[in-house]
Amino acid sequence: AQKVTQAQTEISVVEKEDVTLDCVYETRDTTYYLFWYKQPPSGELVFLIRRNSFDEQNEISGRYSWNFQKSTSSFNFTITASQVVDSAVYFCALSEARGAQKLVFGQGTRLTINP
Amino acid sequence: DARVTQTPRHKVTEMGQEVTMRCQPILGHNTVFWYRQTMMQGLELLAYFRNRAPLDDSGMPKDRFSAEMPDATLATLKIQPSEPRDSAVYFCASGRDRGLYVYEQYFGPGTRLTVT
Repeated sequence: AQKVTQAQTEISVVEKEDVTLDCVYETRDTTYYLFWYKQPPSGELVFLIRRNSFDEQNEISGRYSWNFQKSTSSFNFTITASQVVDSAVYFCALSEARGAQKLVFGQGTRLTINP
Repeated sequence: DARVTQTPRHKVTEMGQEVTMRCQPILGHNTVFWYRQTMMQGLELLAYFRNRAPLDDSGMPKDRFSAEMPDATLATLKIQPSEPRDSAVYFCASGRDRGLYVYEQYFGPGTRLTVT
């Protein structure tokens, strides 16, 4: 069975600090996809990134970066120079590459950026 | 800027009443997913359609829930009869499969359901 664990329930930092959100996953599949979604206070789920299990290259997009390490089954997300607008709940998710391809979500990390 | 739309955004109903939630996927997307979000269970998949055909509804309580896609522009999720434990936010997501895989699922704003 697939499982995603986000051990950090809540994180609070001061604006401009860097912050890393942890994600650890379990799967028996050799091919799978990992995702991060953002849920701002308005409630919608915003897609941030998808990573193929074969691609362990780290990715950077502006202030966001992702560190995928297959050896430790982790897919961590770092926000550099955080801003108040980054305050949201962040979900890590996993899907198989075949079959129903449903997203299995972690429980989410509530990130609060204080001015 | 194409988006998934969901109606209603909020619904308050009494136990035993029928509830219908609607979703309009992004034009051109051929896969639709229904998820439910609660504090206790988090986000969980209820049903999944590809080209309007149901492929996986194993996460859905069969006795009271039903999901359909009458046409390519409309997906519905019905609860009859509703119960207080159905109170949750219901999300619809759509995607376009490339080969057999849906790379990204784009989520609607959700329907917040309260059953009293």
